[in-house]
Amino acid sequence: DIQMTQSPSSLSASVGDRVTFTCQASRDIGKFLNWYQQKPGKAPKLLIYDASILETGVPSRFSGRGSGTDFTFTISSLQPEDIATYYCQQYDTLPPLTFGGGTRVE
Amino acid sequence: QVHLVQSGSDVKRPGASVKVSCKTSGYTFTDYYIHWVRQAPGQGLEWMGWMNPDSGGTTYAQKFEDRVTMTRDTSSSTAYMDLTRLKSDDTAVYYCARDRRKFLPNGCGNWGQGTLVTVSS
Repeated sequence: DIQMTQSPSSLSASVGDRVTFTCQASRDIGKFLNWYQQKPGKAPKLLIYDASILETGVPSRFSGRGSGTDFTFTISSLQPEDIATYYCQQYDTLPPLTFGGGTRVE
Repeated sequence: QVHLVQSGSDVKRPGASVKVSCKTSGYTFTDYYIHWVRQAPGQGLEWMGWMNPDSGGTTYAQKFEDRVTMTRDTSSSTAYMDLTRLKSDDTAVYYCARDRRKFLPNGCGNWGQGTLVTVSS
């Protein structure tokens, strides 16, 4: 199975900050990567698919980059409503669908 | 609009079974895979398996293979997840999710609200 490793596990930032965190796959997954946002007590929400394509309606301050084994997720200017845990998930080699451990932004 | 509405919270004794339902609307039920994902308290997301609602075919995560069954009722556009021989560490929020893409599993595009299952004696 492909393992997904996210770092850091948590970070602290201020409103307006540029925030970046990473996701690493245990082997090449091309661009077959999704990013989700989960706010406390809520279901996750898909933000980005194919590593860099924003889902409809997702603000442009969110972006994703990368291919192969190394990926980054960036919030260009952190807003209060962005406080959440973010998960990556690969879909290159299925099954299983595998998620990273999450990065908590606080 | 796509909606997935799950059944309510449940409390079970160790060794019992639980069945969670996921009623969908707003799209053609048979066109998109349904995933089940769980989240233990304070933990990350764990994929349990998927079901092809058209064929009824399923693929389960190895960890759950001998305890989980995913089924559907196409007449009501509802998916079900049955988990048997419950243990205390099965206490979690269970989510159903519709795949992002038609006809192929890719990931979870639309999610249900989650169902808390508590396993306690």
